[in-house]
Amino acid sequence: QSVLTQPPSASGTPGQRVTISCSGSSSNIGSNNVYWYLQLPGTAPKLLIYRNNQRPSGVPDRFSGSKSGTSASLAISGLRSEDEADYYCAAWDDSLSGWVFGGGTKLTVL
Amino acid sequence: VQLVESGGGVVQPGGSLRLSCAASGFTFSTSGMHWVRQAPGKGLQWVAFVRSDGSNKYYVDSVKGRFTISRDNSKNTVFLQMNSLSVEDTAVYYCAQDLWNWGQGTLVTVSS
Repeated sequence: QSVLTQPPSASGTPGQRVTISCSGSSSNIGSNNVYWYLQLPGTAPKLLIYRNNQRPSGVPDRFSGSKSGTSASLAISGLRSEDEADYYCAAWDDSLSGWVFGGGTKLTVL
Repeated sequence: VQLVESGGGVVQPGGSLRLSCAASGFTFSTSGMHWVRQAPGKGLQWVAFVRSDGSNKYYVDSVKGRFTISRDNSKNTVFLQMNSLSVEDTAVYYCAQDLWNWGQGTLVTVSS
């Protein structure tokens, strides 16, 4: 099991808004920044969100992140077919002295 | 930014491999560098991190004592020495700059 918990799957129709949750603990999300990644099949992960809610340049504002307590969320609005991918959250864990990832959420655009 | 991993391949259980990651397009000497792996059909697992000056290194528990991360700032390269490999280490290994930019990965297969 992953230290950070994500739902294994999520889905939505084009144009919809979907959210993906990431649940952790006081030693990771509760005290450190959360990062979100998108991974298309056969490719390397791509950074979507850093420091909980910041977007790197080039990432559309359809993607947004938030954090509250020991949980974080990634929201995707105006869903598009090209958003179909695996999404991962990550954070530093003070107790483990290492980075931890969520198990990943496979997003399907219906 | 470009990160190019190399050194992957097929190795028998108990064997060793040394991965390299050549970096360009950014100031390597001021960036922390990570190795992250992904077993076939599985999620991402962080493996190791080395600070910009090499002063501190961190590892996931499952590789402590077997893997060593190092870097050569004069050659803009980060390494992962992997010893006592087991089938559970089979994965694509990515290097990543501060977990921002990622390489394309190199496949390590541990099999007899």
